[in-house]
Amino acid sequence: SQKIEQNSEALNIQEGKTATLTCNYTNYSPAYLQWYRQDPGRGPVFLLLIRENEKEKRKERLKVTFDTTLKQSLFHITASQPADSATYLCALTEMDSSYKLIFGSGTRLLVRP
Amino acid sequence: EADIYQTPRYLVIGTGKKITLECSQTMGHDKMYWYQQDPGMELHLIHYSYGVNSTEKGDLSSESTVSRIRTEHFPLTLESARPSHTSQYLCASRDRDNSPLHFGNGTRLTVT
Repeated sequence: SQKIEQNSEALNIQEGKTATLTCNYTNYSPAYLQWYRQDPGRGPVFLLLIRENEKEKRKERLKVTFDTTLKQSLFHITASQPADSATYLCALTEMDSSYKLIFGSGTRLLVRP
Repeated sequence: EADIYQTPRYLVIGTGKKITLECSQTMGHDKMYWYQQDPGMELHLIHYSYGVNSTEKGDLSSESTVSRIRTEHFPLTLESARPSHTSQYLCASRDRDNSPLHFGNGTRLTVT
């Protein structure tokens, strides 16, 4: 069956450390993978997009990697801050279904001051 | 900074009532979407639209209906609400396939 897996347990880290979140997928052929941030009671907010022929993308303190062999994307936040505390969702688009974005259930990140 | 608006933010309603959840965007996007999300769970696509007079059902079976008479407006209607409809409903838009989605802040619906 098809699935997108993100760690359901919250990631709890100290301020200043690098947070690394994982997104694994099974039985999908993604053309694109996107990461979103969601705060409680809010809609998701787009962060980064990476294409299947790209290995890495960066934006300020954020970095995303995409390994189609491992079927995995990693999302890194360097020099984390308490304000980074939120739920982070990964989502993919398949090559033959470009109309829809399929979401994982997200990982909650808690950054302690 | 949101250019996509959903009303109401919260709605508590009794079983059997008809409700309409409103969604409007000011970005001129042709593509609009409705997702359903339960706490701690993934978003499920329930409806989408490619433009005016275009509506399609998503992957998750839903008893709701949608309409797209104007580009900026994509309301969702439940003819007869049931407790199983209790959930958060998120509206989103984008200008083309594979570009990022812009989400509203959702409507949290509780059916008693």
